[in-house]
Amino acid sequence: GAGVSQSPSNKVTEKGKDVELRCDPISGHTALYWYRQRLGQGLEFLIYFQGNSAPDKSGLPSDRFSAERTGESVSTLTIQRTQQEDSAVYLCASSLVGDNSPLHFGNGTRLTVT
Amino acid sequence: EDQVTQSPEALRLQEGESSSLNCSYTVSGLRGLFWYRQDPGKGPEFLFTLYSAGEEKEKERLKATLTKKESFLHITAPKPEDSATYLCAVQAGGTSYGKLTFGQGTILTVHP
Repeated sequence: GAGVSQSPSNKVTEKGKDVELRCDPISGHTALYWYRQRLGQGLEFLIYFQGNSAPDKSGLPSDRFSAERTGESVSTLTIQRTQQEDSAVYLCASSLVGDNSPLHFGNGTRLTVT
Repeated sequence: EDQVTQSPEALRLQEGESSSLNCSYTVSGLRGLFWYRQDPGKGPEFLFTLYSAGEEKEKERLKATLTKKESFLHITAPKPEDSATYLCAVQAGGTSYGKLTFGQGTILTVHP
């Protein structure tokens, strides 16, 4: 596709369950990012991938959160033992590398933990 | 700590009524200031990047300007389709590219 694709678009899970969120970046974009948007709050940076390595994981809120990326392709964000405070929209973005390359965001996965 | 504050939180305009949105920031060495538009249920859509004080960029009815402490997004003769949440973000020097600090956004509603 032409844009960043995320799946599922919505996910409802019970507290304590694990969830996996998927992101397909724009073809050719070597950089990939995960952000979180909680209701009434600004977007929060979670993690940055360059290729399949993650030079910046500083935004991951706890060790329950992890992410992987296969080459310069798909990325998955995994949240283990979900808590109610994990409820948010999780946004993925991709870009070319370089200061003149804007981030292109997907439409996000809305996660609700009951 | 880098901070971005946007005002007002919400703005209601009549079609054709020009106005401005404000983004105040504190950052250790500005590498870039970004404006995005976000429609309900969608991801943010890139509008502009500004790099240095005095810089201006325009796109249709939108014009973004930058000073050393704030940025303005001027909307000239808005139309109902300009209704959206407008997000401002900064990237600090020395941080990973794409590691942005976002404001909470301004919700713009333009009435016909």
